[in-house]
This record gives sequence, C-alpha cells and structure tokens, in this order.
Amino acid sequence: QKEVEQNSGPLSVPEGAIASLNCTYSDRVSQSFFWYRQYSGKSPELIMSIYSNGDKEDGRFTAQLNKASQYVSLLIRDSQPSDSATYLCAVIPGGGADGLTFGKGTHLIIQP
Amino acid sequence: KAGVTQTPRYLIKTRGQQVTLSCSPISGHRSVSWYQQTPGQGLQFLFEYFSETQRNKGNFPGRFSGRQFSNSRSEMNVSTLELGDSALYLCASSTGHGNQNYGYTFGSGTRLTVV
Repeated sequence: QKEVEQNSGPLSVPEGAIASLNCTYSDRVSQSFFWYRQYSGKSPELIMSIYSNGDKEDGRFTAQLNKASQYVSLLIRDSQPSDSATYLCAVIPGGGADGLTFGKGTHLIIQP
Repeated sequence: KAGVTQTPRYLIKTRGQQVTLSCSPISGHRSVSWYQQTPGQGLQFLFEYFSETQRNKGNFPGRFSGRQFSNSRSEMNVSTLELGDSALYLCASSTGHGNQNYGYTFGSGTRLTVV
C-alpha cells in the first residue's frame, strides 16, 4: 500500500511568520510531488509541483524535496490569514500507474 | 480560459439507484482523473483516462466505472448506490498522464448524497 503521511494539525502560526508543512511518502521510486491547498467547501488548488531534489520557490511558497529521506515539505513565508486552509501533499507513485496518492492534509491556521 | 467543469454540483439519490457524473476538462487537456473525497478517507483515486483509454484504476469496486469521449469529456457512473458512496466526487484534468504531467487542475466537484 503506497502511503503519504501528513500531520493533520491544526498547525497554528502567527501572521507574518513562516509556516512549515511536512509530508513523507512510502514509495521510494516516486517521481512527481505536488502541494494542493483546499479551503473549506472548495476543491483542491495546485500550489506547487516538484520533481527533483532540492528547493523550488514560487513567490511566498517554497517546496523542498529529499528523495533519499522520502520527504517533501512546503514553506509559506510571511503567512497571511488568507493562507488558512488544509494543505494536501500528493505523490504520483513510481511508474505513474496509480494516479495521485494524497495525504490526509494538514489544517493550517494563521493567527492575525 | 475555462476551468474544469463538473455537473451536476449536487445530487441526492436513493440506495440501489445508479448515477452518472460529468466532467469537461480544460481545453487542450487530454487526461481526466476522478477522485472521491470523504471526511474519513480523504481524497482517493478512482481512475484516470487519457485519449479515451483508461490508464489507471484505484482500489474501488466494479460498481464504479467511467469513460472518456473523443473530445476528452469524461463521465463516471456508480451503479447500485450504497450509503457509503456519499462523498464529494472530484474530477481533475491535465495535459499528460501519470508522471508525464505537470499537475492536475480540479473541478468544483459533485456532492453526492445517498439516502
């Protein structure tokens, strides 16, 4: 069973601080990794994709991938109340035969 | 550019009935995948279609089926509905499939309630 694990939270972060969200995955040969944001009652929205070890930055968001440790993270700098949402880590397992495998998500709360 | 369109938005069905959900992908996207979201299980992969062919299938019973048309639009069907099928059904489209894509864009979903 290929799994993606996330801490469900809630993770509470003060406004303006850095929010750090973490994810581990079980399939060692996974190649594609995504972070989605989901507001309550809405559908998931793609924030970041990452395919190679290291960091990838897009505005206030940075995705980090460490394939040796089977670990993906998302950093949100200068957190805003509008960042309060559930963040879903998604992985396409090796071979791409199983679609997106999602973690259960981390509920992030940005405190004004 | 229009997003992924799912219809209907809400459905109420009775146990034992069947239901068909529709998804129109973003123009130019040839891959359509379907997911079931419930509070307990989270988002679970149902199946993925690319160029009218089912490429991948998740661990769901045969009551769940789908198809894709030549214009990339997709439908999923659930037969003999059970109470446990109540969920948000999400469709996502992308340009490629499997590891040959750069992220899936989701539609707003169809909220199915089975009574």
